[in-house]
Amino acid sequence: SQQGEEDPQALSIQEGENATMNCSYKTSINNLQWYRQNSGRGLVHLILIRSNEREKHSGRLRVTLDTSKKSSSLLITASRAADTASYFCATERSGGSNYKLTFGKGTLLTVNP
Amino acid sequence: GAGVSQSPSNKVTEKGKDVELRCDPISGHTALYWYRQSLGQGLEFLIYFQGNSAPDKSGLPSDRFSAERTGGSVSTLTIQRTQQEDSAVYLCASNRARGSNIQYFGAGTRLSVL
Repeated sequence: SQQGEEDPQALSIQEGENATMNCSYKTSINNLQWYRQNSGRGLVHLILIRSNEREKHSGRLRVTLDTSKKSSSLLITASRAADTASYFCATERSGGSNYKLTFGKGTLLTVNP
Repeated sequence: GAGVSQSPSNKVTEKGKDVELRCDPISGHTALYWYRQSLGQGLEFLIYFQGNSAPDKSGLPSDRFSAERTGGSVSTLTIQRTQQEDSAVYLCASNRARGSNIQYFGAGTRLSVL
């Protein structure tokens, strides 16, 4: 299995609801990042959480990290139609080549107006 | 430039032809990455350039794939004798290679091999 696997693979919600996506990984990490990709576009960095942090907020985004379970979650509150995109977690492995990020397959979020 | 620029945005080619994909990173970014994204999949690391250091080519899937970076700026990814399984979106990213490894992505080149 690859490092950084998101679930669910797809999520459909109504505008105004909260969306939660999860990411699991297998090795020790320095940090974990979440990226968003709109259809036909490149990835855009959303938020980074370091291995010694447990929770981080940025606007309507909340990220948690549980290194004992090797998992992270991304919560988007009060979702909007514009949040429709694929969301990827990416891990920087500790003790290895720290310039490399390993990406998961992503969660496709659809926010219905 | 303001962001990572990739060209062409779309490329349709015939099986067996060679293709060149171009990436122009953000000015001042010394690190440059190429990734491949197949339909509905995550990103597959291909190659990494950092300054004048030898590139990390560990992700290149076969010897038909090569990349170069001239003058520490623009990079070209070349695929020789293209195969249908090479069809994918090829993404380029760059960063300053200092501090946190946040990467800045171009919009990608969608390659279709017929």
